[in-house]
Amino acid sequence: EADIYQTPRYLVIGTGKKITLECSQTMGHDKMYWYQQDPGMELHLIHYSYGVNSTEKGDLSSESTVSRIRTEHFPLTLESARPSHTSQYLCASSESRGETQYFGPGTRLLVL
Amino acid sequence: QQQVKQSPQSLIVQKGGISIINCAYENTAFDYFPWYQQFPGKGPALLIAIRPDVSEKKEGRFTISFNKSAKQFSLHIMDSQPGDSATYFCAASMKTGANNLFFGTGTRLTVIP
Repeated sequence: EADIYQTPRYLVIGTGKKITLECSQTMGHDKMYWYQQDPGMELHLIHYSYGVNSTEKGDLSSESTVSRIRTEHFPLTLESARPSHTSQYLCASSESRGETQYFGPGTRLLVL
Repeated sequence: QQQVKQSPQSLIVQKGGISIINCAYENTAFDYFPWYQQFPGKGPALLIAIRPDVSEKKEGRFTISFNKSAKQFSLHIMDSQPGDSATYFCAASMKTGANNLFFGTGTRLTVIP
C-alpha cells in the first residue's frame, strides 16, 4: 500500500474562506499531482510538479494554486472558496519517469 | 477533448459472470495503458497495466486485451465477485512530454450476488 496522505478527509466551509488541502508522501517520489473528481466521475488533472520548486497547470483550469517547497509535501490552496469548488480532490505521486501513480484517499470539499 | 474513451458508463453483472470494460484511444504515441480500481471513499489504485508490444496480460482473474491496430484495449474480469464492485478507470500515457496519465471517464461495476 502506498504511503500518501491527505488531510483533511472531509471539509465543509463557507464561501469566501481560504483553504489549504494537505498532501504528503513518504516514498521519496519526485513527481506529484492533484486531480479533481466529481462523485463517480472522471479524474481531471489540475496541477502537477516534477520536483521541488516545480509546479505546472494540468488539463483542467483551476482557481487553486500549489507549491512544492519540499519533496514530500504538495499542498493545494484556494484563496476564496466558492460553491463551484465543491468536489473531491485527489493527490497522487510517482517516480520521476515512473508510470504508476499512487493515490491518496482524497479530500471531499463542500463549499456552502 | 477526451484522449481516452471508455464504455460502458455502468455495468451490472451476476456473481461468477464476466465483466468487460472497453477503452479506445487516438494518440499512437501512447505506450502505457493501466487500469485503476476505485472503491467508494478511496483513491484509485493500480490494478493491471499493459504495453503495446503484447496483446494480452493476465493477473489472476483480471486480463487486459490490447488491439494496437484498432487502438482499443479492454479489461476482462473473470468469475466476477461482489467484492469487485467498484469504479474502474482505464488510462494511457506516453514517455515523451510530461508523461502524465490521461484517464477514461470510468465504469461503475456492480456485481450482484
